[in-house]
Amino acid sequence: GQQVMQIPQYQHVQEGEDFTTYCNSSTTLSNIQWYKQRPGGHPVFLIQLVKSGEVKKQKRLTFQFGEAKKNSSLHITATQTTDVGTYFCASAGLNYGGSQGNLIFGKGTKLSVKP
Amino acid sequence: DAGITQSPRHKVTETGTPVTLRCHQTENHRYMYWYRQDPGHGLRLIHYSYGVKDTDKGEVSDGYSVSRSKTEDFLLTLESATSSQTSVYFCAIRASSYEQYFGPGTRLTVT
Repeated sequence: GQQVMQIPQYQHVQEGEDFTTYCNSSTTLSNIQWYKQRPGGHPVFLIQLVKSGEVKKQKRLTFQFGEAKKNSSLHITATQTTDVGTYFCASAGLNYGGSQGNLIFGKGTKLSVKP
Repeated sequence: DAGITQSPRHKVTETGTPVTLRCHQTENHRYMYWYRQDPGHGLRLIHYSYGVKDTDKGEVSDGYSVSRSKTEDFLLTLESATSSQTSVYFCAIRASSYEQYFGPGTRLTVT
């Protein structure tokens, strides 16, 4: 079945450094979604990418969807302590409807930021 | 947060006892999901519902059952809790663009 692999599993950065997490699949993805989970909290939807080569920005966060739609990345510029948490990528099935619309989650990248 | 609540928020129970977790939503979403989250495993789908009385299994459904008698409520039942079911349980709804919104979670400990 469809799987999404996420790397790295952990990342420790100094405040002000950049951070990138990668999501990879062996099969073509119909879309990619990114979620953030703060420690002790619940996953929160950040963004969805659908088009090949798509790039979207949210303030210091840049999201990319690969040209072949098999990989994606989330880049944070100049991390802050408020960026601490686990970042998950997820993808729905190719047909969106029914069980194909269910999300497959990567295992997440846990980001810690040292002040 | 899409008006999703979960109850209870924390529960400690003994092995072999039945446990029911409740998810309640206020925005009439058709699709609802139950996930469990464990260290090293990320989020894994237990069961989902695509309408009243319409449910199906997810990746890790063994030992769990669900029911949805009203649009707003999705119940997860552990018929006979085991220590391997100690976890954090999240309910979620699917929004119109297929993104999901999660409830605050229930931390379940089975002793």
